[in-house]
Amino acid sequence: DIVMTQSPDSLAVSLGERATINCKSSQSVLYISNNQNYLAWYQQKPGQPPKLLIYWASTRESGVPDRFSGSGSGTDFTLTISSLQAEDVAVYYCQQFYDGLTFGQGTKVEIK
Amino acid sequence: QVQLVQSGAEVKKPGASVKVSCKTSGYIFTSYVMHWVRQAPGQRLEWMGWINAGNGNTKYSQKFQGRVTITRDTSASTVYMELSSLRSEDTAVYYCARAVGAPDSWGQGTQVTVSS
Repeated sequence: DIVMTQSPDSLAVSLGERATINCKSSQSVLYISNNQNYLAWYQQKPGQPPKLLIYWASTRESGVPDRFSGSGSGTDFTLTISSLQAEDVAVYYCQQFYDGLTFGQGTKVEIK
Repeated sequence: QVQLVQSGAEVKKPGASVKVSCKTSGYIFTSYVMHWVRQAPGQRLEWMGWINAGNGNTKYSQKFQGRVTITRDTSASTVYMELSSLRSEDTAVYYCARAVGAPDSWGQGTQVTVSS
């Protein structure tokens, strides 16, 4: 199984400041034949299912604010929230969909 | 709009089985894969398996192989997940999630509690 590891486990950021979450996969999730990284990012709020934010490592899902961006390739990926808003308080997960699905342990984002 | 509506909460005894349904609407059912993912308290999201709603092919996580069965009813645009030989560690919220690549729409979740 591909193991996904996120860092940090939690972070507190002031409103309007940048939040950065890292994700590392135990093996590459770059599919050579189409040059796509099978990596997604989700936001989950209490009592709700996960919400897709980013797929193919850097493609924003329709309707997701442009303050959310994804980057990286191969085994190392980053989710950036450029200017944290109150409604962004949530747990964020990276997920690989290269082979089945596996998720990171989650990063809890709070307001400082 | 796309909707995935799951069946209600279940309480089961150890050793029993549970079958959770996921009724879909708002899209072409047979054009997507449906995953099942669970979330136990304090644990990360855990993939159980998927079904190709078009041809019925399935793939299961090795962890659940032999205990989980995913089926679909194309006439009802509904997918089912059955988990057998339940134990206390199976207490979790179970989600269905449709996908072509990354899952983009999720059901609301079904709480399954295993308790004697």
